[in-house]
Amino acid sequence: DSGVTQTPKHLITATGQRVTLRCSPRSGDLSVYWYQQSLDQGLQFLIQYYNGEERAKGNILERFSAQQFPDLHSELNLSSLELGDSALYFCASSVRGQGSVDEQFFGPGTRLTVL
Amino acid sequence: GENVEQHPSTLSVQEGDSAVIKCTYSDSASNYFPWYKQELGKRPQLIIDIRSNVGEKKDQRIAVTLNKTAKHFSLHITETQPEDSAVYFCAASSTGGGNKLTFGTGTQLKVEL
Repeated sequence: DSGVTQTPKHLITATGQRVTLRCSPRSGDLSVYWYQQSLDQGLQFLIQYYNGEERAKGNILERFSAQQFPDLHSELNLSSLELGDSALYFCASSVRGQGSVDEQFFGPGTRLTVL
Repeated sequence: GENVEQHPSTLSVQEGDSAVIKCTYSDSASNYFPWYKQELGKRPQLIIDIRSNVGEKKDQRIAVTLNKTAKHFSLHITETQPEDSAVYFCAASSTGGGNKLTFGTGTQLKVEL
């Protein structure tokens, strides 16, 4: 157990819908990262938040957005879902996230299936 | 941006043999190189990492080497066991990039009895 929690574990929805994925980082970690893992794209970085502020952005679609709350948990919002959005979505956390590179620990993931 | 290439995509070894997985990266600013092990449907688990000021690091049966000049790093697993069977990912990160990880495409390691 990494100490990073994600809910829900599984999500099945239809095209055009909107879903919210939730992540709680390890105690004391200030940075949260979101990654998408699909069969054809591998593990791809989406976005990073550090202490409530957006820190870095990857190939995140405009239909996707995220935020980090004062208690440091984070939510990833996916809207106008398409079949191709079906994937495993991982959240990771690290102590810092700026100034020096430190280890990232991954949560169990949310498996999203868009029908 | 950073690009990480990983080889081989699949690797089959006999129990007790060694396994080597190689990665190359493109961004000379990258300074942190972790390796993750992922079992089917599970989260990636950090197994070892190395920073750019170190050439080699070892942890029991696992070792990682880094050649900054050539921009490549490798994972070495000795005395492989069936429980080592999984997908292994290399990754690269830099302080300037917000610490985001750029992953390789993964290596499916199978340890046969």
